[in-house]
Formats: sequence, structure tokens, C-alpha cells
Amino acid sequence: GESVGLHLPTLSVQEGDNSIINCAYSNSASDYFIWYKQESGKGPQFIIDIRSNMDKRQGQRVTVLLNKTVKHLSLQIAATQPGDSAVYFCAENGSGYSTLTFGKGTMLLVSP
Amino acid sequence: NAGVTQTPKFRILKIGQSMTLQCTQDMNHNYMYWYRQDPGMGLKLIYYSVGAGITDKGEVPNGYNVSRSTTEDFPLRLELAAPSQTSVYFCASSYAGSSSYNEQFFGPGTRLTVL
Repeated sequence: GESVGLHLPTLSVQEGDNSIINCAYSNSASDYFIWYKQESGKGPQFIIDIRSNMDKRQGQRVTVLLNKTVKHLSLQIAATQPGDSAVYFCAENGSGYSTLTFGKGTMLLVSP
Repeated sequence: NAGVTQTPKFRILKIGQSMTLQCTQDMNHNYMYWYRQDPGMGLKLIYYSVGAGITDKGEVPNGYNVSRSTTEDFPLRLELAAPSQTSVYFCASSYAGSSSYNEQFFGPGTRLTVL
């Protein structure tokens, strides 16, 4: 198979910029999506979720947008801070199942 | 609440050895999961459980076994360790399944190396 796993997509931003991380999901039957943040050496941490009956959901400094037509999810982080540096994963449920399927992740690097 | 705890944090095994990765949650969650994460990759589901006494295979179950005798504990067993099982293992739990819009809570992980 293709060995792209060691080279995560990386987004580099300056502190204070807004960041947008994108995710293409695979299952058109998925009706629940989650963004997780994983800092180096730690387990994934929940950021925000969205159900398929919504197009947008806002949290503290984060917004998730869902476009079901093109099966696309995005995470917007406002006023990005160095502490936001991490790998971000999207996950989908594939309606009717108990489990989540995770994407490969995007590394966000925030420089001061 | 301690949340999801995993032991050990690190382990080095020789090929053919066996070990059990421990996972405990104190949130009274019904669902528990085991994932592996290879370098630069996402999480792949090994096994999961929807309640005590019930387990099911995930995407990559070969070489692993699980049991769920209590709500709190969900140990993962490696019987004959192989280099391909070198990975970071994460345990997670949720109150209900993802079809009920429930997020999963993750433990800190166990880094396993098989030499």
C-alpha cells in the first residue's frame, strides 16, 4: 500500500492567525462527526462534535463546518495559540454502527 | 474521576512473548474500545465492547484478544508478540455508541516495542 503515513499533512501558522483544518470523510451514511486534538505523547482529546442535521457548530474559539454534499468537514480555530500545536483528527460514525472511523490527521504548527 | 487509565505506559517485549495491556474507566461507561496508532497514522480499531460479557472485532483484531468481565475493565492480550505489533495502544470509553452521538474518552496510551 501507499506509505504516506509518516508524512502527515502539516499546516504552519503564526500565533494570532486563524487556522482551518480540512477533512474529507468517506461514508455518506455517517451522521455524527467529531474533531479530536492529540498533543505529542498524549491520547486524543475531544474538541467539538456535529450531527448531520447541522451545517455549523461553534465552541470556544473553534467552529466546525459540515458540507454533506461533498462529504467535507472543517475545523476553524480562531486566534491560534502555540498551545494549539498538535495533530488534529476528524472521526465519523458510519450511521448504524457503535464505533468511530478516524482520518489520518493533520499536524498544526503554531509559531510565536 | 480519573477517567480512562492505562498501564503500563511503556513496555519492550521480545518476539513471541505475551503480555496484557490494562485499561480501566471510572465513568460507568458501557462501551469500551482498543485502538492502535502507528507513527504518523490515525487510529485503527482493534476490538470493542458494548457491555460486560460482550466483545466484537474491529478493523485489525488479528494477534489480539480481549475480555470484558466488568464494566470498568477491558484488558487487551497479546499472545505471541510480533514486530508488527510495535505501536502505541489507546483505550477509550463512551457512555453509548457513536450511533447515539456519544464521544469517546481516551486514555494516555501504552507505547509497546517488540524486538
